[in-house]
Amino acid sequence: DARVTQTPRHKVTEMGQEVTMRCQPILGHNTVFWYRQTMMQGLELLAYFRNRAPLDDSGMPKDRFSAEMPDATLATLKIQPSEPRDSAVYFCASGLVPSSYEQYFGPGTRLTVT
Amino acid sequence: AQSVTQLDSQVPVFEEAPVELRCNYSSSVSVYLFWYVQYPNQGLQLLLKYLSGSTLVESINGFEAEFNKSQTSFHLRKPSVHISDTAEYFCAVSDRNYNQGGKLIFGQGTELSVKP
Repeated sequence: DARVTQTPRHKVTEMGQEVTMRCQPILGHNTVFWYRQTMMQGLELLAYFRNRAPLDDSGMPKDRFSAEMPDATLATLKIQPSEPRDSAVYFCASGLVPSSYEQYFGPGTRLTVT
Repeated sequence: AQSVTQLDSQVPVFEEAPVELRCNYSSSVSVYLFWYVQYPNQGLQLLLKYLSGSTLVESINGFEAEFNKSQTSFHLRKPSVHISDTAEYFCAVSDRNYNQGGKLIFGQGTELSVKP
């Protein structure tokens, strides 16, 4: 049963610290997405990649967030420095475009910045 | 650009009653339409999708949604709900243009609460 995996599942950190979240997309999927979910803003698209190349990162605060795909099995989202307003659940999703526009979501990383 | 409006933030309903979760979208281009479900402390799971063909699509657990192009709606229905259907439901659209990468624009979600 192929699944998207994310680590860590939970992260508590202090303001100013660097946070790195990792995602392993489903093998064979060519598109990877990062979303953020908060009560106030709902689900927001932060960035996405196709075949490891960034397509759009306009949803990310550029000064502190960065997203990369060092290889086809790993996507990372970094926040440096972290701020309390970054507290949210971060989801990674993968899909195969254009064969299917379905996205398969990971379980999320719940980030708390104190 | 696209936008999605889910008209109800919370829908309480009794078990075995019918339910409709409403979704309207706005787009200047053709879109694909999706409903995702999120159970507590979990990621989103695809419930059903409309890509083409019949405007009525069904899920394996009894939900259905109908694409109405003239009303730009994609409402989700179930004739008889179970306690286990309690979850948050998200309507989403995706630009059909391959160059847009298949990104999803989500509505704000509807919390379905099924009471015994």
